[in-house]
Amino acid sequence: AQSVTQPDIHITVSEGASLELRCNYSYGATPYLFWYVQSPGQGLQLLLKYFSGDTLVQGIKGFEAEFKRSQSSFNLRKPSVHWSDAAEYFCAVGDKNTNAGKSTFGDGTTLTVKP
Amino acid sequence: DTAVSQTPKYLVTQMGNDKSIKCEQNLGHDTMYWYKQDSKKFLKIMFSYNNKELIINETVPNRFSPKSPDKAHLNLHINSLELGDSAVYFCASSPTGLGGAQYFGPGTRLLVL
Repeated sequence: AQSVTQPDIHITVSEGASLELRCNYSYGATPYLFWYVQSPGQGLQLLLKYFSGDTLVQGIKGFEAEFKRSQSSFNLRKPSVHWSDAAEYFCAVGDKNTNAGKSTFGDGTTLTVKP
Repeated sequence: DTAVSQTPKYLVTQMGNDKSIKCEQNLGHDTMYWYKQDSKKFLKIMFSYNNKELIINETVPNRFSPKSPDKAHLNLHINSLELGDSAVYFCASSPTGLGGAQYFGPGTRLLVL
């Protein structure tokens, strides 16, 4: 069964500093991988996705993520964090083998941005 | 233009009542979902429909019954509401059936008193 682990429950960074949020997955083959962001009181918004090909994927809002098969990781990065990036971040792995589009979500990482 | 919309946004009700949440997507997607997000922000899939057909039915009490009248709508009816049903319920849709990226609605905040 597929699973996702986000080791960091809560991360605090200063505005302007770089950011890396960790995500490890368990899946039998090359997975579909996603990062979502949830601002307070909002629904989840897709930041970026990896299906195949180039292992470094670019997303919206200046985010990028790198797929590393050897480490079963898909870490999210941003070179310079803005106060508006404070939110909950979810990593997810998609199931290629069903017609249901089922994704399994990690437990989320809360990002706090210090002024 | 709202891509995935849910009504109502807030729902406060008494234990034992029956309530419904509606979801509509105008993205032309084939697959729709219901998720429950608890107070710790854990997100758990409840149901998935593909072209009006139930595909995923996770371990959810049968007090919860989804209905998809067409592929643009997926409603959730909850019977005999319990305190533990208090949560945020998200509807989502996906453009492909194979682990496709999902587009979420704004959520319905349900509080059972």
